[in-house]
Amino acid sequence: GESVGLHLPTLSVQEGDNSIINCAYSNSASDYFIWYKQESGKGPQFIIDIRSNMDKRQGQRVTVLLNKTVKHLSLQIAATQPGDSAVYFCAEIVGGTYKYIFGTGTRLKVLA
Amino acid sequence: DTEVTQTPKHLVMGMTNKKSLKCEQHMGHRAMYWYKQKAKKPPELMFVYSYEKLSINESVPSRFSPECPNSSLLNLHLHALQPEDSALYLCASSQVVATNEKLFFGSGTQLSVL
Repeated sequence: GESVGLHLPTLSVQEGDNSIINCAYSNSASDYFIWYKQESGKGPQFIIDIRSNMDKRQGQRVTVLLNKTVKHLSLQIAATQPGDSAVYFCAEIVGGTYKYIFGTGTRLKVLA
Repeated sequence: DTEVTQTPKHLVMGMTNKKSLKCEQHMGHRAMYWYKQKAKKPPELMFVYSYEKLSINESVPSRFSPECPNSSLLNLHLHALQPEDSALYLCASSQVVATNEKLFFGSGTQLSVL
């Protein structure tokens, strides 16, 4: 389940299940989006990106969906593994700028 | 080599100390960045260097002084910091400063200011 509060929103999923992490982005002029994974004690690691002229992009075990109508981005992880446990950030770049705007992050906990 | 290397990994300093954080990349990237990340928060942009020139300063206090001595190196000089400056400092690089450029991050320096 998902919880929101004073701490990072947390999504707990059973190992082997699919995970869906959601992100509401802020600017309708954003035209590039990235998902990053950050493990404890490490810097953010690139997972997958998508441009605004697409609505879906697939990688290895991951899929990003973009809904520009409601300014929503999601990251789907298939067959979630313990190594997927981390904090996931979405980031947007507004067209014509070079500044990443990071979302608040979601902690993914994989239960054995 | 697709790594961004940051040193030191951990740093404890007093408010009167002067210290420097170092960042190195050998990917031929011409854009380098400093980000600050507080616990349980997303990274916040501090500085952007493009072709060794400072192109963005996000209104960072002058007690943080960036330096880009060459295309592979990025430093962040620290002086008279405050306890609220304690955070994870992340360096990143990209091929150039442009939309649609992926950032590659280092593992960060965890800074504690006493």
